[in-house]
Amino acid sequence: DTGVSQDPRHKITKRGQNVTFRCDPISEHNRLYWYRQTLGQGPEFLTYFQNEAQLEKSRLLSDRFSAERPKGSFSTLEIQRTEQGDSAMYLCASSLARGHLVQYEQYFGPGTRLTVT
Amino acid sequence: GIQVEQSPPDLILQEGANSTLRCNFSDSVNNLQWFHQNPWGQLINLFYIPSGTKQNGRLSATTVATERYSLLYISSSQTTDSGVYFCAVGSGNTPLVFGKGTRLSVIA
Repeated sequence: DTGVSQDPRHKITKRGQNVTFRCDPISEHNRLYWYRQTLGQGPEFLTYFQNEAQLEKSRLLSDRFSAERPKGSFSTLEIQRTEQGDSAMYLCASSLARGHLVQYEQYFGPGTRLTVT
Repeated sequence: GIQVEQSPPDLILQEGANSTLRCNFSDSVNNLQWFHQNPWGQLINLFYIPSGTKQNGRLSATTVATERYSLLYISSSQTTDSGVYFCAVGSGNTPLVFGKGTRLSVIA
């Protein structure tokens, strides 16, 4: 049983460039979450999917951020026109979901560390 | 939204000592998780404990949902226990909300 995987693990980019990160969840999990973590803080929720449906995206930090999960398996997070303030660790997590009342355990990937120069 | 407070923010222990980390939350939840973040940033699941008590080796956790707090106990601490411990809570379709963490340093 493989855990959540993320690619790349590290990304250095110049301000103004676009970047895309990939997350592969645990295979039987139907929920997939994206979080951002800055230095000294806990992870902060960005968006999540149940299967291919994006159920919450109001927490995405700006319209430069977008996420997709086209076939309900892997997901991508894209940041357009990167800014230095986007430098952070981007974490992906997955979980099972049955109904809307109970929240099951989330498992996190190793993260993608983004540095914008 | 739900507020999560963790205490203490920093803790320094001698190897072999015991410790208790606390997590207070402001609303009812049906998900509470404790994580250990290693120096490489990986969040390692310690406990999924929306209520009750669980034990795993030297670690144990208790959540008293009616009083909105959870405790993580570390016994006979080792240097490999160093890192940041996060509590995170959620409910239904609300996202996990993380506390700011407790930074633990265990010295030999």
